[in-house]
Amino acid sequence: QSALTQPASVSGSPGQSITISCTGTSSDVGRYNSVSWYQQQPGKAPLFIMYAVTRRPSGITNRFSGSKSGNTASLTISGLQPEDEADYYCCSYTTGDRWVFGGGTRLTVL
Amino acid sequence: EVQLVQSGAEVKKPGESLKISCKGFGFNFSNYWIGWVRQMPGKGLEWMGLITPRNSDVRYSPSFEGQVTISADTSTTTAYLQWGSLKASDTATYFCARQGDYVLDSWGQGTLVTVSS
Repeated sequence: QSALTQPASVSGSPGQSITISCTGTSSDVGRYNSVSWYQQQPGKAPLFIMYAVTRRPSGITNRFSGSKSGNTASLTISGLQPEDEADYYCCSYTTGDRWVFGGGTRLTVL
Repeated sequence: EVQLVQSGAEVKKPGESLKISCKGFGFNFSNYWIGWVRQMPGKGLEWMGLITPRNSDVRYSPSFEGQVTISADTSTTTAYLQWGSLKASDTATYFCARQGDYVLDSWGQGTLVTVSS
């Protein structure tokens, strides 16, 4: 059960859009529509911002959107704002009632 | 309001045992998976395992199987994570989280465990 693969860092200027990829296998991301995304600010607990690949919980801005193709899920943040600067993690359900996280991506808003 | 409140920070020596807790409020504790997540200093999130409090069914990540024990007490709506013999490499912040609809939808504040001689 290896960690999902995310880029270590991405960056963008305010107002731009960025996409964070999350690559797994046919046993996790590719098999189940149970990919979720979490935002973590320094020193804080993670906050879920996307679930079931494309669904946003109430209170989360619609600037965040999710998608999946094959074994790769993606989180897109449009209209970047300074407060979006954080670490982002994907997570997928996998076989045997287990979950696996991605390695995390640090988003820098330039 | 759904809340998970974790026990306070711990400082332990290598070889000591430890049990940290996670108390749930505002939801039917028995009916949700409760998961544990490790975050080593400056590193990412790692899923450790989960428990179904209703029947104490536990699933462990292969990376943590045999290294920790997850348990729960429905009468006190509390989940636990314990170690029999701590190592320096167990130094980390440990989060509990409620797993609902295949998402970790509510998180505890984290418990910092420091293992040092």
